[in-house]
Amino acid sequence: DVKVTQSSRYLVKRTGEKVFLECVQDMDHENMFWYRQDPGLGLRLIYFSYDVKMKEKGDIPEGYSVSREKKERFSLILESASTNQTSMYLCASMGTSQYNEQFFGPGTRLTVL
Amino acid sequence: DAKTTQPPSMDCAEGRAANLPCNHSTISGNEYVYWYRQIHSQGPQYIIHGLKNNETNEMASLIITEDRKSSTLILPHATLRDTAVYYCIVRVNAGNMLTFGGGTRLMVKP
Repeated sequence: DVKVTQSSRYLVKRTGEKVFLECVQDMDHENMFWYRQDPGLGLRLIYFSYDVKMKEKGDIPEGYSVSREKKERFSLILESASTNQTSMYLCASMGTSQYNEQFFGPGTRLTVL
Repeated sequence: DAKTTQPPSMDCAEGRAANLPCNHSTISGNEYVYWYRQIHSQGPQYIIHGLKNNETNEMASLIITEDRKSSTLILPHATLRDTAVYYCIVRVNAGNMLTFGGGTRLMVKP
């Protein structure tokens, strides 16, 4: 059974804190993604990575950075959390098959106070 | 990627077929139709995809019109656990990211 796991389901942080969100996949996928999901805005891509140590900006990278030191792990970093980063964060992974099916983790609901 | 239009919500009786429509009138020849769903408090889940032929798997069937301007996702025997938001996405197969719009909130009722 394929699996994408995220380090926390719920997280509460204070403004200005550095926040790490971890994502691990066990499918040996090359591609990994970080999205945020907000009511009325759908799913928006923050960053993605198509290989170890490689990263590309998505639609809304400002205020975020990422790290991909190992193939199975993709970390999202909020250098200095702000209240407008309160959101549901979703990690996904995808192989290089022709069908581009993305597998999602359960999500992390981050609240920044 | 082509834009899609879906009704914001639908109801379905448990045990009946749920038919979820999607309009994608600007779809181009190399774009696939994908369906995902998101159950409350969970990450999105892939359901099915197709190019122009109808497709069926263990979860659902996908019917694509001949002109490819619209499609219908069919859950043949809806259960309460099928209550979710269903997203229709049209994209080139070789693309990387997914763009989810508003989707259809399906409520399956006893």
